[in-house]
Amino acid sequence: GNSVTQMEGPVTLSEEAFLTINCTYTATGYPSLFWYVQYPGEGLQLLLKATKADDKGSNKGFEATYRKETTSFHLEKGSVQVSDSAVYFCALSETPDSWGKLQFGAGTQVVVTP
Amino acid sequence: DGGITQSPKYLFRKEGQNVTLSCEQNLNHDAMYWYRQDPGQGLRLIYYSQIVNDFQKGDIAEGYSVSREKKESFPLTVTSAQKNPTAFYLCASSQGGSQETQYFGPGTRLLVL
Repeated sequence: GNSVTQMEGPVTLSEEAFLTINCTYTATGYPSLFWYVQYPGEGLQLLLKATKADDKGSNKGFEATYRKETTSFHLEKGSVQVSDSAVYFCALSETPDSWGKLQFGAGTQVVVTP
Repeated sequence: DGGITQSPKYLFRKEGQNVTLSCEQNLNHDAMYWYRQDPGQGLRLIYYSQIVNDFQKGDIAEGYSVSREKKESFPLTVTSAQKNPTAFYLCASSQGGSQETQYFGPGTRLLVL
């Protein structure tokens, strides 16, 4: 079946450092890929998405490129801020007739220190 | 403002008791979903609904039940058959396609007394 694997956290880094969170997936067909962010005690918010191979999603300085050849969707940000401290989830949406069901990775906690 | 509301924010369940978590959306979305989140784990799908009066089991439906009598509402009941109900429960909605964004509510934390 489909699955998503993320690097384990917590990832601790200083303000203005470069952030990478690795995400790889296993899927049949051509899934859409998402990054969601969760701040403490809250629900999830969409950070960015890509719906086909080689698409790049971007938002708030974060970027991720849909790489079909390596089945990856790594999240990057060039200069993190303390406000980026959160848990980040990689997810995939299954085949078109699945009504948008999402398969989530385990999440990666990011802690940014001043 | 459009969005998803969940209530209550915290819920306490006694042994043998059924409890119901509320989820309401005013985004005019067709599809709605319930997820369970345990510490250090990703979200797992409990139930989902594509349209009013129709719903399907997700990966961990045992011990849970849902209804979808109105487009805006998708309540989740945690029954006494769910032996380990302590978790953070998240409701979401979307237009329903595989490329569509899911919008999440703020969650309900369920604790067992």
